[in-house]
Amino acid sequence: GESVGLHLPTLSVQEGDNSIINCAYSNSASDYFIWYKQESGKGPQFIIDIRSNMDKRQGQRVTVLLNKTVKHLSLQIAATQPGDSAVYFCAENEANAGKSTFGDGTTLTVKP
Amino acid sequence: IAGITQAPTSQILAAGRRMTLRCTQDMRHNAMYWYRQDLGLGLRLIHYSNTAGTTGKGEVPDGYSVSRANTDDFPLTLASAVPSQTSVYFCASKGQGIDSPLHFGNGTRLTVT
Repeated sequence: GESVGLHLPTLSVQEGDNSIINCAYSNSASDYFIWYKQESGKGPQFIIDIRSNMDKRQGQRVTVLLNKTVKHLSLQIAATQPGDSAVYFCAENEANAGKSTFGDGTTLTVKP
Repeated sequence: IAGITQAPTSQILAAGRRMTLRCTQDMRHNAMYWYRQDLGLGLRLIHYSNTAGTTGKGEVPDGYSVSRANTDDFPLTLASAVPSQTSVYFCASKGQGIDSPLHFGNGTRLTVT
């Protein structure tokens, strides 16, 4: 069946380094992708999104890359800080469906 | 602060009991959702509502019911709780348009004993 998944369940980086979190999706009808950050004891929070007619989108310290050919999504965090430690989820929306399907999440740990 | 409010924050419930998890939003969003989050299984959609007066089933609807009497409130009811319903429950809403992210509450941690 269709699924959204993350390549690695955990990622540990040194403070100041760049982080890359990957996500694979299999629904070719998906046309909108979102990254969420979830801190302990809280609900997921929107970080950045991208539509399928784009291959890159930049925010503040974050960049999302979309490769539709291989159905791959990545989140890049520049100069990772301790406050970036959290679980990161990718989610995809199928055109006109309105509902999001989530990946299992990657836990990012930033070492001081 | 605008957003999603969920109550209670946590609850321990005896198996067989009825429980309603409350969710209220003040953003006037049409679409609302209930997800459960279990370790290793990510977020799974239980029920959703595209607008007041309508509801739909998600991926794991069995054992749960919802109602959407108005735009702001979207309660989730467990008619007869079972231990497998032990989970963290998140309510979310979404603004207009397909390309709109979800806004989540801070969840209700439910333990069914």
